[in-house]
Amino acid sequence: TQLLEQSPQFLSIQEGENLTVYCNSSSVFSSLQWYRQEPGEGPVLLVTVVTGGEVKKLKRLTFQFGDARKDSSLHITAAQPGDTGLYLCAGATSGGYNKLIFGAGTRLAVHP
Amino acid sequence: GAVVSQHPSWVICKSGTSVKIECRSLDFQATTMFWYRQFPKQSLMLMATSNEGSKATYEQGVEKDKFLINHASLTLSTLTVTSAHPEDSSFYICSAQGAGLTFFGQGTRLTVV
Repeated sequence: TQLLEQSPQFLSIQEGENLTVYCNSSSVFSSLQWYRQEPGEGPVLLVTVVTGGEVKKLKRLTFQFGDARKDSSLHITAAQPGDTGLYLCAGATSGGYNKLIFGAGTRLAVHP
Repeated sequence: GAVVSQHPSWVICKSGTSVKIECRSLDFQATTMFWYRQFPKQSLMLMATSNEGSKATYEQGVEKDKFLINHASLTLSTLTVTSAHPEDSSFYICSAQGAGLTFFGQGTRLTVV
């Protein structure tokens, strides 16, 4: 069974601080996706990383895929209250259906 | 962009009744749809994978006779929770996959009383 361990589970920080969320697995994924979910809504895709060692930037968010495609990180620079939410990593399994295996999620609270 | 519509957004039903949740891909053909369940403050747990015109593949521990999935067309999949009980209360989310992209519905909050 493929598992994704996401840490930390909870993060409460002040506006302007930096943070990093980690997603680790012993399995190799064909790609890894990061989502953000608001209460009562479905997850919204932030980024997909496919190539080992890949780094993608989305404004203040930097996503990295490990060289072996088993782990990933999300770094937020100068966090703002609007970044508050649940961040989920999801690994895509290889094979026919490309189903997603989700990490436990990181609940981020950024205080003004 | 592509949109996946889930209906209803929320539903309250009595224990013992059945509830149907629809998942539609509005502007693309979804060869595969996935159904997830999310309990409060937890992540998404995959329940089943459904392909158009064939039987759904259920994850370990998910009762296929309780959670009936039908994927009759390339734009519609339904999840029916049969003989619902309070412990089935949860947030159910579908996703649709087409052309290598995956999009999520907005979720359905099911409360069984």
